This record gives sequence, C-alpha cells and structure tokens, in this order.
Amino acid sequence: DIQMTQSPSSLSASVGDRVTITCRASQSISRYLNWYQQKPGKAPRLLIYAASSLQSGVPSRFSGSGSGTEFTLTLSSLQPEDFAIYYCQQSYRTPPTFGQGTRLEIK
Amino acid sequence: QVQLVQSGIEVRKPGASLTVSCKASGYSFTDFYIHWLRQAPGQGLEWMGWINLNSGGTKYAEKFQVRLAFNTDRSINTAYMDLVSVTSDDTAVYYCAREESSSSGYHFDYWGQGVLVTVSS
Repeated sequence: DIQMTQSPSSLSASVGDRVTITCRASQSISRYLNWYQQKPGKAPRLLIYAASSLQSGVPSRFSGSGSGTEFTLTLSSLQPEDFAIYYCQQSYRTPPTFGQGTRLEIK
Repeated sequence: QVQLVQSGIEVRKPGASLTVSCKASGYSFTDFYIHWLRQAPGQGLEWMGWINLNSGGTKYAEKFQVRLAFNTDRSINTAYMDLVSVTSDDTAVYYCAREESSSSGYHFDYWGQGVLVTVSS
C-alpha cells in the first residue's frame, strides 16, 4: 500500500495567518492527490482534487500544489471556520490511502 | 442537490452482524461508484471498498475480504454494507462516499453523515 505522511501533525495559527500543510507519498503518485477537511462530528469535506483543482463551493483561500511524492495544501488567510483536521488521500493505487491528518488549532 | 443519507446509530455484541444503509438522491444513482470508509474513535480514515452500482461489481480491502459484503437496491437508490463477526476493533463511524473521476484519479465528492457503530459486550 502507498503510505501518505502529513506534516506537521498539529499546527497552531491565528486568524489571518497563511498556513501550509505538507503531504508526502511513499512512491510517486503523479497528481492523484486529494485534500479533505473534517470538523468534529462531521463527515470529511472535499477541498482539492487532482492536486490543485478547487472543488466547487470551496473558498479560493484554499489552494493545492505538487506532483510526484510531495504535495502542499495552503490556506492563504485563515478564517475562524478553517480550524479543523485536514487529510490528504491518494487515488493512484488501490487501496486509496489517507494521511494521518493535520490538526489545525487556534493560537 | 446530491445527498447520501445513512441509517442510524448501531450497537452490537461481539460476533454479531451489522448492516448499514446509504440512500442516495439528487443524481443518477448508477452513474457513480459508492465507497465505504470508516473512522475509529480519534483515528484517521480507513478505506473498506467500493461497489459499482451499475454492474454490482465490488472491490474489498484485503483485511475485510472474508467479513464484508456490499449490496444495492437500485429500486430505492440505496447501497448497503454488511459486516459479520464484529469485534471491538470494528467500533467506528462508518461512511459511504460517492466517487467522482477526474483527469488524475478519483475523489470522494459527497459523503454520508456517518453511522456510529459500537461493538461492546
């Protein structure tokens, strides 16, 4: 299985900050990488697919980049509703696998 | 609008079986695969498998091959997940999610609300 490793595991930031989360794959996955946001007690929400495509309805302050084995999710100006857990997920090989998550907390 | 609505909270004793349903609306049911995933308390997301709602074909994660089955009732736009011989390790929130394809693989664009399954004696 392809292992996905996110860094950092947790992050404290303030409203208005720019934040970057990294996801690394154990082998090249081209651009077969998606990002999700999950809030407590809720299902994950798709933010970014195919490494950099913004899902419909997702604010433009979210962006994704990368290819091969290294990917980033950037939040350009944190809003109060952005404090959540973020997961990356690869769809290059079955089984699809997720990173362990990055918890974004309010400083 | 697209919705996936799952059945309610479940409590099971070890060794029992479990069925979770996922009712779709707002789109053509058989045009998309449904995947099943789960999330143990405080843990990350684990993929369990998918069902092709058009053909009925399935793919299961290796660890669930013997205990898991997916089914569908196209007449009511509902997918089902059946898990047998549950243990406390199966305590988790179970999600169904719709697969959408893109130029680079696929992603899960709509999710059910999740069903908390507790396995306890």
